[in-house]
Amino acid sequence: AQSVAQPEDQVNVAEGNPLTVKCTYSVSGNPYLFWYVQYPNRGLQFLLKYITGDNLVKGSYGFEAEFNKSQTSFHLKKPSALVSDSALYFCAVTHGGNYGQNFVFGPGTRLSVLP
Amino acid sequence: GAGVSQSPRYKVAKRGQDVALRCDPISGHVSLFWYQQALGQGPEFLTYFQNEAQLDKSGLPSDRFFAERPEGSVSTLKIQRTQQEDSAVYLCASSLGGTLGEQYFGPGTRLTVT
Repeated sequence: AQSVAQPEDQVNVAEGNPLTVKCTYSVSGNPYLFWYVQYPNRGLQFLLKYITGDNLVKGSYGFEAEFNKSQTSFHLKKPSALVSDSALYFCAVTHGGNYGQNFVFGPGTRLSVLP
Repeated sequence: GAGVSQSPRYKVAKRGQDVALRCDPISGHVSLFWYQQALGQGPEFLTYFQNEAQLDKSGLPSDRFFAERPEGSVSTLKIQRTQQEDSAVYLCASSLGGTLGEQYFGPGTRLTVT
């Protein structure tokens, strides 16, 4: 069975400082990992994904994430946070293909960027 | 262009009633997902379609839940004999590239069962 953990319910960071939102996963077979963001009163939006290749993935709005197979982690990072980054962030995993198409989201981490 | 749309946006049902929730995916998107999102939690996978074929329905919580996509475009999620625990936001997402593609989410239908 697949699972995703986001160990922090809430992350607070000052504007201009680097931010990290943590994600760890458990999956049979190869993991395919995603980050989505949910802004207030808006639908979920795709940020980035890791399928294969370079462990450092760059995505929308200056975000990036690093796939670490030994630590089964896929932490989301941004070098300099903006107040507009304040939102709910979800990590997700699937193993796709022959194992089924079940797509598992984490519980979410609320990011607050303080001016 | 138009994104994913869902209707109705809000639905109040009395316990025991049947409801039908509609999803209009982005034109040409092969893949379609349904999720259930309870308040304060992440979306939970319900089912996945590739065109008209329902390839995975492992997340449907009971046989009261049924989904279809007969022509490979619009999809309907039906819940029979609604229960209070069915109250949640139901999200639909579509994707060009199967389960590994970027999913585009609709605004959701908020179902309240009284």
